[in-house]
Amino acid sequence: DIVMTQSPDSLAVSLGERATINCKSSRSVLYDSNNKNYLAWYQQNPGHPPKLLIYWASTRESGVPDRFSGSGSGTDFTLTISSLQAEDVAVYYCQQYYSIPFTFGPGTKVDIK
Amino acid sequence: EVQLLESGGGLVQPGGSLRLSCAASGFTFSSYAMGWARQAPGKGLEWVSTISGSGGNTYYADSVKGRFTISRDNSKNTLSLQMSSLRAEDTAVYHCAKVASPGGYGAMDVWGQGTTVTVSS
Repeated sequence: DIVMTQSPDSLAVSLGERATINCKSSRSVLYDSNNKNYLAWYQQNPGHPPKLLIYWASTRESGVPDRFSGSGSGTDFTLTISSLQAEDVAVYYCQQYYSIPFTFGPGTKVDIK
Repeated sequence: EVQLLESGGGLVQPGGSLRLSCAASGFTFSSYAMGWARQAPGKGLEWVSTISGSGGNTYYADSVKGRFTISRDNSKNTLSLQMSSLRAEDTAVYHCAKVASPGGYGAMDVWGQGTTVTVSS
């Protein structure tokens, strides 16, 4: 199984400041034949289902604000919120869909400082 | 509007069975794989199972393999999860989700609100 780890476990950022979340996979999730990273990022607010933010590691889902961006390749990935807004307080998860089982990271909680 | 509505959750005794359903609307159901993910109280997300758009391929987490069966009825736009030999550790909110590919290897781009399964005596 591919193990997903995230860092930090939690972070507090001032409104308008940058938040950076890291995700690491135990094996590469880059599929050589199409040069795509099988990595997604989700946002979950308390009491709500997860919401897809980013897929293929860096493609923003339709309707997601452009302050959210994804980067990285192979085994190391980053989700960046360029200017934190109050509504971004949530838990963020990465997930690999490269191989079964499609594992999630443990989550990173983002709060306002 | 794409919508997913789960039903079928409830309280069940250890060793019991339960069938979850997910009614889908707003998209061509048979063109997309569908999946289930769960979240135990206070815990993170766990992928449970995925089925391809045709229903011909199914995939399971080791934790549920042999106990859970995923299926779909493309004529009724419905996804199901038959759960048997339930354990306390299966207690969770179960979400159905649309997968952004027909085969199953894709992000989960639309999620339902979830249905709660509690396994307890």
